[in-house]
Amino acid sequence: KQEVTQIPAALSVPEGENLVLNCSFTDSAIYNLQWFRQDPGKGLTSLLLIQSSQREQTSGRLNASLDKSSGRSTLYIAASQPGDSATYLCAPFTGFGNEKLTFGTGTRLTIIP
Amino acid sequence: DTGVSQDPRHKITKRGQNVTFRCDPISEHNRLYWYRQTLGQGPEFLTYFQNEAQLEKSRLLSDRFSAERPKGSFSTLEIQRTEQGDSAMYLCASSVGQYNEQFFGPGTRLTVL
Repeated sequence: KQEVTQIPAALSVPEGENLVLNCSFTDSAIYNLQWFRQDPGKGLTSLLLIQSSQREQTSGRLNASLDKSSGRSTLYIAASQPGDSATYLCAPFTGFGNEKLTFGTGTRLTIIP
Repeated sequence: DTGVSQDPRHKITKRGQNVTFRCDPISEHNRLYWYRQTLGQGPEFLTYFQNEAQLEKSRLLSDRFSAERPKGSFSTLEIQRTEQGDSAMYLCASSVGQYNEQFFGPGTRLTVL
């Protein structure tokens, strides 16, 4: 059974700093991994999907890395802004035939203006 | 708006009543998922459809829960005889293609009094 852990559970940083969010998962036989952000009381917004064959994926100020063999992914946010404040969730996808995404409890990020 | 839509956005009901939620996926997405999220937790998988076929159900989906996707387009999730423990955010997601990037709707927040 896939289990996902995200550390830290909460993080506060001043505006403008670079930061790293961590995600670990127990079953390394994944097909891909998605990173999402969730604003309070809202649905999830897909940020990045990184395939199992990739080591990195970039979108604007966001960079996700994947070390499949060690069961870890990181999300790097450059030059943080107050609008980045949200909960960030990672979700590995094991592959077709086991369709669900498995989520951790996320990292609640607060950017201090 | 071509994203995933859900209706209603909020539902307050009394214990013992039946409720039904609707999800409209992104057009041409053949896969549709339901998840449930309680406060402070990540989403948990409930069920999955490929076109009109329900292919996977979580053990979380008790016999009071039923989901349908009759024509392979929109889906409904019904909860019979609601209990206070059913209070949660119910999220719908859809996907298509080999990478299965899942896109989420805004969710339906259910409160059972």
